[in-house]
Amino acid sequence: QKEVEQNSGPLSVPEGAIASLNCTYSDRGSQSFFWYRQYSGKSPELIMFIYSNGDKEDGRFTAQLNKASQYVSLLIRDSQPSDSATYLCAVKGFQKLVFGTGTRLLVSP
Amino acid sequence: ETGVTQSPTHLIKTRGQQVTLRCSSQSGHNTVSWYQQALGQGPQFIFQYYREEENGRGNFPPRFSGLQFPNYSSELNVNALELDDSALYLCASRQSTGARFDEQFFGPGTRLTVL
Repeated sequence: QKEVEQNSGPLSVPEGAIASLNCTYSDRGSQSFFWYRQYSGKSPELIMFIYSNGDKEDGRFTAQLNKASQYVSLLIRDSQPSDSATYLCAVKGFQKLVFGTGTRLLVSP
Repeated sequence: ETGVTQSPTHLIKTRGQQVTLRCSSQSGHNTVSWYQQALGQGPQFIFQYYREEENGRGNFPPRFSGLQFPNYSSELNVNALELDDSALYLCASRQSTGARFDEQFFGPGTRLTVL
């Protein structure tokens, strides 16, 4: 079992829709969770981090964490073509981040 | 722009050769981590340096080695290159404060191709 699992996609949504990206993790003791966005050929950039169960909102982005289910999600409201990228879920381990393989999101105009 | 720079941008080597990749961390950052990202995969942790000492290592063989210098810049060295070493190599820097979360900033990466 991989430590952090994501559906590789692509996830296709029309402009203006809500995109829902999901991630599961195997280490029940994990405490800190991150979502990175990576455009093709570029390096990852941090979008959101979350520590506590529940929702955390930042603009059009909402991160959701359910530690009992070992599940993290990212919702993108009012999706824009510029949101088309790969979204990486990461879990903080000892001295490192453990990344999933990423979900490719395509937002069509 | 994150303030983290890496050189070179692209590199082509042949199997068996050695390579050195360089990273200049963001000003004020004392911790540098290196990640390998193969095509279609997420970044995988190679190792981390804090104040010139390696203090964390991922599941990579000893032919992957590194250094951190007094100005906190860093090098990643890979000996005896293999075809599977072809990847994007990412450097990330942060200021370790002991807080629950210190955001790390990624450099633009070095694309290594091994033929």
